[in-house]
Amino acid sequence: KAGVTQTPRYLIKTRGQQVTLSCSPISGHRSVSWYQQTPGQGLQFLFEYFSETQRNKGNFPGRFSGRQFSNSRSEMNVSTLELGDSALYLCASSLDWQGAGNEQFFGPGTRLTVL
Amino acid sequence: GQNIDQPTEMTATEGAIVQINCTYQTSGFNGLFWYQQHAGEAPTFLSYNVLDGLEEKGRFSSFLSRSKGYSYLLLKELQMKDSASYLCAVIRNQAGTALIFGKGTTLSVSS
Repeated sequence: KAGVTQTPRYLIKTRGQQVTLSCSPISGHRSVSWYQQTPGQGLQFLFEYFSETQRNKGNFPGRFSGRQFSNSRSEMNVSTLELGDSALYLCASSLDWQGAGNEQFFGPGTRLTVL
Repeated sequence: GQNIDQPTEMTATEGAIVQINCTYQTSGFNGLFWYQQHAGEAPTFLSYNVLDGLEEKGRFSSFLSRSKGYSYLLLKELQMKDSASYLCAVIRNQAGTALIFGKGTTLSVSS
């Protein structure tokens, strides 16, 4: 069974640009969660999508958005990039939503650098 | 507000037992996760506790006390490969921030 895949793996953008990251969950998984990880702030939850609906949301500005498609694949978008958005963006998939306590499987992440 | 506290670093030797503590303050508690993350890699799910008590899974066990806002991860028979960061995360059942992570505990296992 293929694991969680994320594309692209590395990305360099400049301030003010926007970026779209993609996540393909494990087949059969209906929940996809997105996280931002930085050395200073650690791992922070962005949002969770379950059956094409945003189920939970973290404390990030509206520049961060996402969506989930009928095949459970998910994308997240960051508009008007800022230097502080440089981070590792991780997605994780699970069979059910986070509150059900199912094991989450993480993808390798997308390393975003904003210049 | 919500807050999760873990020790920043811990050291131990091979074969030993180590306990990593996590205390949390949050409303709407709906469960606690432990993850392991090796340097340069994605986190790996270790456990999920929602009821008080101890959950054992091989060399790893996780304990939760909801009344005390406290959890610990117990690692037995430590191996070098257990050197990693261990993250405690709490899920809330309210709108808004749903999953809150601690800063992680970096465990170094030496021979």
